Amino acid sequence: GAVVSQHPSRVICKSGTSVKIECRSLDFQATTMFWYRQFPKQSLMLMATSNEGSKATYEQGVEKDKFLINHASLTLSTLTVTSAHPEDSSFYICSAGSGGGDTQYFGPGTRLTVL
Amino acid sequence: QKEVEQDPGPLSVPEGAIVSLNCTYSNSAFQYFMWYRQYSRKGPELLMYTYSSGNKEDGRFTAQVDKSSKYISLFIRDSQPSDSATYLCAMSVGSNDYKLSFGAGTTVTVRA
Repeated sequence: GAVVSQHPSRVICKSGTSVKIECRSLDFQATTMFWYRQFPKQSLMLMATSNEGSKATYEQGVEKDKFLINHASLTLSTLTVTSAHPEDSSFYICSAGSGGGDTQYFGPGTRLTVL
Repeated sequence: QKEVEQDPGPLSVPEGAIVSLNCTYSNSAFQYFMWYRQYSRKGPELLMYTYSSGNKEDGRFTAQVDKSSKYISLFIRDSQPSDSATYLCAMSVGSNDYKLSFGAGTTVTVRA
């Protein structure tokens, strides 16, 4: 149980294009999903918290107009990196809240490379 | 001072050894404690989940929580090369918002 999927697992795009990453909870409903960014050999950096049917809450320093988050259903959240640039290249991981409000289950991650 | 402190290592042990990992924290409101395992280029996988103080055992893994000392541990017995990964501790206050506070992660290598 508590499986979270992400698609695509890897994407390479040209500078200036937009990229959409999907995060799905496969066997449970997730009212709250999270988006993280992780650089090599570093820990997870929370970007935003996404609640179903409402606007996402962004962490300090994260540009909400650059990283668009939509959580339209209880099983799907999307992250769109708009006008991507090489500095946006990173490993993006989503997670979904499950249980009694006290833990998260993570997706396998999406490796974004912007040329 | 970070809310959760974890030595990033790296930690290298021979196959069959006991791996000992730990985290300390400063927020006494934390009630739920987790250990995640993350293989290179993969998302974190929930390994152990404990509530409040005490021990929890699952196969070769034992998680310990000492709330009085604000200290949690993970022990891996009979370590295998497949245990080579980064281990992240995480904790929450359980306020129904699912927010977690993470340690930096400890990179473990088990040598065959």
